[in-house]
Amino acid sequence: GNSVTQMEGPVTLSEEAFLTINCTYTATGYPSLFWYVQYPGEGLQLLLKATKADDKGSNKGFEATYRKETTSFHLEKGSVQVSDSAVYFCALSDRGGGTYKYIFGTGTRLKVLA
Amino acid sequence: DAGVIQSPRHEVTEMGQEVTLRCKPISGHNSLFWYRQTMMRGLELLIYFNNNVPIDDSGMPEDRFSAKMPNASFSTLKIQPSEPRDSAVYFCASSWTGTGANVLTFGAGSRLTVL
Repeated sequence: GNSVTQMEGPVTLSEEAFLTINCTYTATGYPSLFWYVQYPGEGLQLLLKATKADDKGSNKGFEATYRKETTSFHLEKGSVQVSDSAVYFCALSDRGGGTYKYIFGTGTRLKVLA
Repeated sequence: DAGVIQSPRHEVTEMGQEVTLRCKPISGHNSLFWYRQTMMRGLELLIYFNNNVPIDDSGMPEDRFSAKMPNASFSTLKIQPSEPRDSAVYFCASSWTGTGANVLTFGAGSRLTVL
């Protein structure tokens, strides 16, 4: 079945450091891929998405490229800020049985220190 | 659009009591999902509906949990009787499952504490 694996946290970085959060997936079809972010006390919010191979999703300085050959969708940011401290979830959606199912990773907590 | 609306935002109840959580999805979305989030188990899918019909309820923990979607703009998740281990944040999410990336939009969650 479909699955998403992302790196364990927590990840602790200093402000302006480079961020990578690894995500790999297993899917039988051609899924869409997503990164969601959850700030403390809030629901998950879409950060970026990619719908096909080699697509690059980007938002708020974050980027991720859909790599079909390595089944990966790693999240990167060149210079993190304290305000980026949150939990990041990698996810995929795939069509099965006529409807879409969404599979989420376990989440990676990021803490950015001033 | 106001987004996905959940109520109540916080609920504290005693073991054995009935709990009803409510959700109003985004207008025009045809799929609705209920998730539960805990520190121990992370984000778990409980049930999802497509066009108001339950498609997969395999994530519902046990018979104490039930969910309904009487129309396209309203869904409930009921726990009866509640137990302390049900304490969690319950999220409702909706999406349009047509062409495109099918983005899932979450509500702010209902934090349930069962004493």
